[in-house]
Amino acid sequence: AQTVTQSQPEMSVQEAETVTLSCTYDTSESDYYLFWYKQPPSRQMILVIRQEAYKQQNATENRFSVNFQKAAKSFSLKISDSQLGDAAMYFCAYRSDNQGGKLIFGQGTELSVKP
Amino acid sequence: DAMVIQNPRYQVTQFGKPVTLSCSQTLNHNVMYWYQQKSSQAPKLLFHYYDKDFNNEADTPDNFQSRRPNTSFCFLDIRSPGLGDAAMYLCATSRDLLGGGYTFGSGTRLTVV
Repeated sequence: AQTVTQSQPEMSVQEAETVTLSCTYDTSESDYYLFWYKQPPSRQMILVIRQEAYKQQNATENRFSVNFQKAAKSFSLKISDSQLGDAAMYFCAYRSDNQGGKLIFGQGTELSVKP
Repeated sequence: DAMVIQNPRYQVTQFGKPVTLSCSQTLNHNVMYWYQQKSSQAPKLLFHYYDKDFNNEADTPDNFQSRRPNTSFCFLDIRSPGLGDAAMYLCATSRDLLGGGYTFGSGTRLTVV
């Protein structure tokens, strides 16, 4: 069974600085998708960034980028120029074409941004 | 805007009293999912519908049921809520079972008293 591990329950960053959230996963599949979701307190979970495993190029969305290391099964999220609005719980998630499209989540990393 | 809407946002129910949570979508997505998220934990999949086909996770308690009367609506029924069922319930949709990410609703926070 696939598993996703986020080893940092909490992280803190100064406004305007850069922070990296870690995620590792375990799978025997070769084709899959990885995601980072953001969940602000009492608010909707939204997609931050997505990576297809067959793509070697790391995904980037504005201030958010990933470092995808397929062989190491690592998928970290870098947030540049951190803003107060980035404060939230961040979930790393795995999805394959099997298992009914099920999203498997890590335990989450609570990110706080200091002004 | 196309979206996933969950009602109500907050629900308080009595121990053992049946409760229904609703989810609607305007995305015309084929798949609808229900996740349970307890405090400070990762969301856990309860079940999903692919069109009219219902798929239950092996470890979902029998106390949880679901209905999807049409493409747009999906309901989560908890037949006899216990204190341990207090959680945030997230509805999500995806176009199909392959690849893409989900669109989530805002969730319903269920309190059992």
